[in-house]
Amino acid sequence: KAGVTQTPRYLIKTRGQQVTLSCSPISGHRSVSWYQQTPGQGLQFLFEYFSETQRNKGNFPGRFSGRQFSNSRSEMNVSTLELGDSALYLCASSSGTSGAGELFFGEGSRLTVL
Amino acid sequence: QQQVKQSPQSLIVQKGGISIINCAYENTAFDYFPWYQQFPGKGPALLIAIRPDVSEKKEGRFTISFNKSAKQFSLHIMDSQPGDSATYFCAARPGGGATNKLIFGTGTLLAVQP
Repeated sequence: KAGVTQTPRYLIKTRGQQVTLSCSPISGHRSVSWYQQTPGQGLQFLFEYFSETQRNKGNFPGRFSGRQFSNSRSEMNVSTLELGDSALYLCASSSGTSGAGELFFGEGSRLTVL
Repeated sequence: QQQVKQSPQSLIVQKGGISIINCAYENTAFDYFPWYQQFPGKGPALLIAIRPDVSEKKEGRFTISFNKSAKQFSLHIMDSQPGDSATYFCAARPGGGATNKLIFGTGTLLAVQP
């Protein structure tokens, strides 16, 4: 069974640009969550989608947005990039419908903002 | 109240020794406490998890001890091996709804010396 796939794995952007990251969950998983990982702040929850609906959202500015498609694939977008957005962005999928299920993480998309 | 405090930040253990990582929380509504292991260049992977109605859970060399009254939980790695060298994150799920959102601790970098 294929794991969670994130693309691109690495990308470099400049301040003010926008970026779109993609996540393909494990087949059959309907829940997709996004996390930002930085050395200073650790793993921070961005948002969660279930059956194309945003189920939960973390404390990030509106520049961070996401969506989920009918095939459960998800994208997140960051607009007007800032230097502080440099991070590893991790996607996780889960089969649980009610929560508290195992999260399966991808290897992440490493974003560098110059 | 939504924080999970993790210590120590780093840990060096000799092969065959016991590694102990501690976490504390304030929010009594947390209802699920997993531990994740992350190797360099990889996403976190679930190691072991516990719910607050259980005081201890053991899976192989890994044990979670949970103290509900003290609002603390810890990971014990028995017979630590060099292959256990990784970053370990505790986490907690905010209860009260269907969500896979997790609040992560800041991580512990474990090095097991041969």
